Amino acid sequence: NAGVTQTPKFQVLKTGQSMTLQCAQDMNHEYMSWYRQDPGMGLRLIHYSVGAGITDQGEVPNGYNVSRSTTEDFPLRLLSAAPSQTSVYFCASSYRPESTDTQYFGPGTRLTVL
Amino acid sequence: GQNIDQPTEMTATEGAIVQINCTYQTSGFYGLSWYQQHDGGAPTFLSYNALEGLEETGRFSSFLSRSKGYSYLLLKELQMKDSASYLCAVLDSNYQLIWGAGTKLIIKP
Repeated sequence: NAGVTQTPKFQVLKTGQSMTLQCAQDMNHEYMSWYRQDPGMGLRLIHYSVGAGITDQGEVPNGYNVSRSTTEDFPLRLLSAAPSQTSVYFCASSYRPESTDTQYFGPGTRLTVL
Repeated sequence: GQNIDQPTEMTATEGAIVQINCTYQTSGFYGLSWYQQHDGGAPTFLSYNALEGLEETGRFSSFLSRSKGYSYLLLKELQMKDSASYLCAVLDSNYQLIWGAGTKLIIKP
């Protein structure tokens, strides 16, 4: 099993550009989530999904969209990038929505917005 | 409101024991998880406590006091590879993890 994979690993965008961060898992996990990690702060939840076709907002959803058309994939779209979105983005999954105490993380995407 | 506090940084010596504390005040609480994160890496799960008391897994132990809003992670026989950040996270009533900022542990020979 590859676990949770994310692409790209690094990305530089200009203000106003849009892009999609890819996330996939091959563990048949129902729950998937996106976090951002900024220096001196805890991980913050952007969006999450409890199953295919179901998504919901987390703590910091503004400027981001998600979809979950399959169990495996959970892409994160930046609509119009801003310097405040410079961060490290992690995708994570857990077996069921009730088992989110144990989440499996992808390697992260380091995004810089100029 | 949600508040999770951990020390920013700690230093310990190889072979010694270190205790990393976490205090929390959250609107809901199912349990508390600890994760390890090496520089440039992803968080990896270490432990989860839902009940009061101590849980041991090899060199690592985690303790929870629900009544005091307090947890600690105990690392024994420290090795250089234990140099990492340790993240405390509360599982709230919506089954979402609320994360502390993490404690950077520096191990010296």
